[in-house]
Parts: sequence; structure tokens; C-alpha cells
Amino acid sequence: EAQVTQNPRYLITVTGKKLTVTCSQNMNHEYMSWYRQDPGLGLRQIYYSMNVEVTDKGDVPEGYKVSRKEKRNFPLILESPSPNQTSLYFCASSPTIDRKKETQYFGPGTRLLVL
Amino acid sequence: EDQVTQSPEALRLQEGESSSLNCSYTVSGLRGLFWYRQDPGKGPEFLFTLYSAGEEKEKERLKATLTKKESFLHITAPKPEDSATYLCAVNSGTYKYIFGTGTRLKVLA
Repeated sequence: EAQVTQNPRYLITVTGKKLTVTCSQNMNHEYMSWYRQDPGLGLRQIYYSMNVEVTDKGDVPEGYKVSRKEKRNFPLILESPSPNQTSLYFCASSPTIDRKKETQYFGPGTRLLVL
Repeated sequence: EDQVTQSPEALRLQEGESSSLNCSYTVSGLRGLFWYRQDPGKGPEFLFTLYSAGEEKEKERLKATLTKKESFLHITAPKPEDSATYLCAVNSGTYKYIFGTGTRLKVLA
């Protein structure tokens, strides 16, 4: 089944304890992206990647890191989480960045609580 | 600065009562405008992409239209299963996506 998977789905952690949220897609998609969703603010893009080893900042990259060493995986790293990073996180992928062919498929989400 | 504004924030309809959701945008160099549906606790699900003013797309009871400043999602004779949050997003030449805050639709039986 074609899908975007995220792990873990739920995570409670403490301030300053490094964590990684994994994202994997099995559709050979070029483009991958991370978003956070907060009430009243909607979905905001954190980082995106147009292909292996090519990443760029979205609108809210502070406090996050990403890497794209393989086409299928795009982990999100919080090196020193803070309570303001408590949020619902979504990973998404798209077959291509070519105009008129891009369609983002979203993962199920990871709910993160930083105490 | 690229911006997307959706209205209304919330909408309650009786089953069969048609209506429209609005997405107004300002973006430098629109590559595409996207509509998604999001059910509670789930990731957004792709509905439509529109690229040029005047373009229209349809899927079941939904029809999306695009002008140079806004897009409409028309819902014809909605059913309770159409209840969800509908999200609008734009993509500019930088390959970044800007989302609106969504319209929460509730269709009553």
C-alpha cells in the first residue's frame, strides 16, 4: 500500500531531551516536507526537501533539523525541545516538484508534548 | 509576503443545503492552489489542484474554481459525511507551501 508513515505517533518528552521523528514513504517521491499544526495557526511548513541531499527552510525552521540521505526517509530532529514545540506534526511527500504534477500525500501525524 | 486567508472559519449546513468556501491569496508567482480535506485526528487528504485563473475541477459534490485573487470550493447538496475541515494552500516559485487556517464544515442530517 502506498503510504507515508511516521513514528512515533505520540510522544511525551521533557525540555532539552533530543528526539527524532521518523518519516518514510514507499512511493519513490522526490519531494518531502515537514509541517506543524497548531490551533488558530493552521499548517506551517518547517523544512522541505526537493531530493536526496537537498533541503531548505520553510516558514518555521527554528529549533528543528532535517536530513535527506535516502529518497524514502526524511527524519525531523529536535536537538533541544522546548514547550513551544508542543504540536501536531505532519510529514508529506509529493511525486515531483514539476508544475502541474505535484500532489502532497500526508502521513498520519505525530502528536508531541514537551514538558 | 505570501498569505492565504480562508472564510468562514466554521460553517454549519443542513444536509442538501449547498454553499461555498472561500480562499483568498496573495502570492508572488502562483505555481498552484491546492484544496485538502482533513478529518479529526488525521492527515490532510488531497482534493484538487488549480493552476490558472478560470480553471475548474470537480469531484462528486465538490467543485473548485480559481480567479486571480481567490478560489472557491462549492459544495452541492452536502451529506453528513462531507463534514470535515477544508484546507487551502498555495505554492509559490520557491517550492514552499503556505496553508490557510481552514474552514470547519459541519453538515447536519
